[in-house]
Amino acid sequence: DAGVIQSPRHEVTEMGQEVTLRCKPISGHNSLFWYRQTMMRGLELLIYFNNNVPIDDSGMPEDRFSAKMPNASFSTLKIQPSEPRDSAVYFCASSPQRATNGYTFGSGTRLTVV
Amino acid sequence: AQTVTQSQPEMSVQEAETVTLSCTYDTSESDYYLFWYKQPPSRQMILVIRQEAYKQQNATENRFSVNFQKAAKSFSLKISDSQLGDAAMYFCAYRSRRSNDMRFGAGTRLTVKP
Repeated sequence: DAGVIQSPRHEVTEMGQEVTLRCKPISGHNSLFWYRQTMMRGLELLIYFNNNVPIDDSGMPEDRFSAKMPNASFSTLKIQPSEPRDSAVYFCASSPQRATNGYTFGSGTRLTVV
Repeated sequence: AQTVTQSQPEMSVQEAETVTLSCTYDTSESDYYLFWYKQPPSRQMILVIRQEAYKQQNATENRFSVNFQKAAKSFSLKISDSQLGDAAMYFCAYRSRRSNDMRFGAGTRLTVKP
């Protein structure tokens, strides 16, 4: 099993540009989560999906952020337009829907907006 | 909403010694799961140990063990025979059985001195 795969690993973009982060969960995992990690705010849950359906997006900071899960093997997190304060590490994680298990995290995408 | 508090931003331990990292949480639920994750400089999030709230017995994984006090809502991590490779950020996390999402504490940075 290749684990949760995120791309790109690093992204540097200019303010105002659109950024798309990608995630491939572990096959068979029904739940997918997007987190943002910053020094100031720690790990924040942005949104999560169960069976490709968004369940809770209350952590999405503003309308510039959007997430989709068109099928069980792929999800995107898009920021449009990007701002310097969006600079952070973005993690994707997946798990079986049974809550007994912890998540399996991807390696994260470090986003820098200049 | 559930909150997770790690009151020790930084801790240090001498190699081969024992260290305990603290975590408290706030919840009105009775059925939930608690986790400790390790994040080394590579930034990969690694599950260290988990505890099910309905189990009174404290979980152990090799040199890692927890002290789970449900009434006090406390979940500390003990690392025995500390090794240089244990140096990392450690995050305590709470996962509700009902809602499936996971909330993290702010983290404790552990330094291991040779």
